[in-house]
Amino acid sequence: EDKVVQSPLSLVVHEGDTVTLNCSYEVTNFRSLLWYKQEKKAPTFLFMLTSSGIEKKSGRLSSILDKKELFSILNITATQTGDSAIYLCAVEQGGSEKLVFGKGTKLTVNP
Amino acid sequence: DGGITQSPKYLFRKEGQNVTLSCEQNLNHDAMYWYRQDPGQGLRLIYYSQIVNDFQKGDIAEGYSVSREKKESFPLTVTSAQKNPTAFYLCASSYGVGPYEQYFGPGTRLTVT
Repeated sequence: EDKVVQSPLSLVVHEGDTVTLNCSYEVTNFRSLLWYKQEKKAPTFLFMLTSSGIEKKSGRLSSILDKKELFSILNITATQTGDSAIYLCAVEQGGSEKLVFGKGTKLTVNP
Repeated sequence: DGGITQSPKYLFRKEGQNVTLSCEQNLNHDAMYWYRQDPGQGLRLIYYSQIVNDFQKGDIAEGYSVSREKKESFPLTVTSAQKNPTAFYLCASSYGVGPYEQYFGPGTRLTVT
């Protein structure tokens, strides 16, 4: 059975801390891995990763994929209260355009 | 402004009633998706459509139905056969054959009592 597992499920940090969110997967016919941020309603797209070892970066956020070990990490440096959200990891299956989602990591950044 | 709209934001229904959730996109995307989100469960795929007049069941299709008569629209009907319909429903769309990211609408929170 295809599955995506995120850890931790919940995380509370102080502003300025650096956090690492994990996503491991077992999905047939892997095509890509995506990270989304969900603050209240609609998840917003962060990154899409298709190749191992190539870091994607956007401001204080970065992500990398390891296709051999079947995992990805999302790093957030110098966290701010606005980073508080649920971070979702999803893996796309080739041939069906389906996304398999993990349960998400709820990040709370306290001032 | 291009985007995905879902209506209504909040919906209340009595048990035993069918209800239809609207999803419209003006992004010219071929593929559209319906997800259900429950607390602590992440997103689970209900139905998806890669092209007009065609759709496939996702992982939790029982008790739901969809139609795709127009490229822009992908309504979801929650039938009385769905045993636990109270949830947050998200619609998404993408260009189609990927890899392409999916863009999400603002969601509809359905409460059935």
